[in-house]
This record gives sequence, structure tokens and C-alpha cells, in this order.
Amino acid sequence: GENVEQHPSTLSVQEGDSAVIKCTYSDSASNYFPWYKQELGKRPQLIIDIRSNVGEKKDQRIAVTLNKTAKHFSLHITETQPEDSAVYFCAASESSGDKLTFGTGTRLAVRP
Amino acid sequence: KAGVTQTPRYLIKTRGQQVTLSCSPISGHRSVSWYQQTPGQGLQFLFEYFSETQRNKGNFPGRFSGRQFSNSRSEMNVSTLELGDSALYLCASSLGAVGAFFGQGTRLTVV
Repeated sequence: GENVEQHPSTLSVQEGDSAVIKCTYSDSASNYFPWYKQELGKRPQLIIDIRSNVGEKKDQRIAVTLNKTAKHFSLHITETQPEDSAVYFCAASESSGDKLTFGTGTRLAVRP
Repeated sequence: KAGVTQTPRYLIKTRGQQVTLSCSPISGHRSVSWYQQTPGQGLQFLFEYFSETQRNKGNFPGRFSGRQFSNSRSEMNVSTLELGDSALYLCASSLGAVGAFFGQGTRLTVV
């Protein structure tokens, strides 16, 4: 089955700096890669996703890149703000309606 | 549009008991998936239902079961509860290419 590895497990950045979280996956059949943000005590929230026919996608301060050959994808957050502090999860699946295999999460702390 | 609703939010059960959790998906969403979240194991897939049929099942023992009704609402059941079943149980609904949206979860504590 699919295996998703996520690094780093914790990340601390100064407000205004950029943050990068990286994930690798094992199953070449995976075609859909969402990212979720989970604040303490809250539900995971879908923040951006990318499909295998696209190499990069941007939404304001967040972007995701995908390298299907190397089987890795990354989340980039620019101009970080304290409200970006949360745990971020990457995931992979064959399609957007399919079961998701999650990474182990990255705890991001943005220092004011 | 209302989001994914899970009930109850919190539950305390004794070892050996059984429990039923409920999930109402976003209106129009026909796919419902269940996940278990624990500090040690992270987010793990339990099962997925689409139009009342189980399409996928994760690596959990048979004590974990689920079903989906004709209105797309779903329930999951855990029988003979063990201490290790204490977790946040999350339900997610999806519609085609839109992506999966999670409910607030049910926090189950087994004592």
C-alpha cells in the first residue's frame, strides 16, 4: 500500500519568513495530493491540493509543488503569520474521492 | 451550506462496551470516509462508503464496522472496546474532484 513520509516533524520560523514542508510517497498510482491544516482542538482543514497533471499550484501565500518522477511534493508558505501556526498534514490518494494516506504531520510555529 | 456534522462530540465508554458514532455529510456529497487520529499513529484510514457500499477498508480489526444510509449519513461502530481505541474519530465527505472535508470529530475515551 501507499506510504507517505513527511519532514520536518517540527518547524519554527520568524514571522514574515517562508516555511517549506516536504513529503514523499511510494505508490506511483497516487494522483491526488492534498494538504490539511489542523489547529489545536479543531478539524483538519483542506488548504490546497494538486493533481498529478499539474506541477505547481498557488493560492495567495501558499503553494504546492509536485515532482511525480521523484515522488515528492512540497508545501510552501510565504510571509508567514502567527495564525499560520498549526499542524500541517500532507496526504496522497489515487483520486480525490479515494482513501487518503496521511503523512505524520509537521508542527509549524510562527514566532511574532 | 452546512459542513460535515459528527455526533456526539465527546464520549466516555468502559472497556468491553460498544459504541456507535454518527456522521452527516455535506449536502449532496455521497462519499463518506472515516479516520482515526491518535498522537502515536497519526491519521489512519478506517473505511469509505459511497452510495451505501463500502468501497475501501483500512487495516483495522473486524471490531470496527460501518454503514451508510440512503441519505448518505454514515455510522461507525466499534464493539468490545479496548483502551487503545481511545482516539479522535473523524469523518470526511467528498464529491468528485472537490476534495475531502472533515467534521469536528468524536473524541472517544475508553476507561
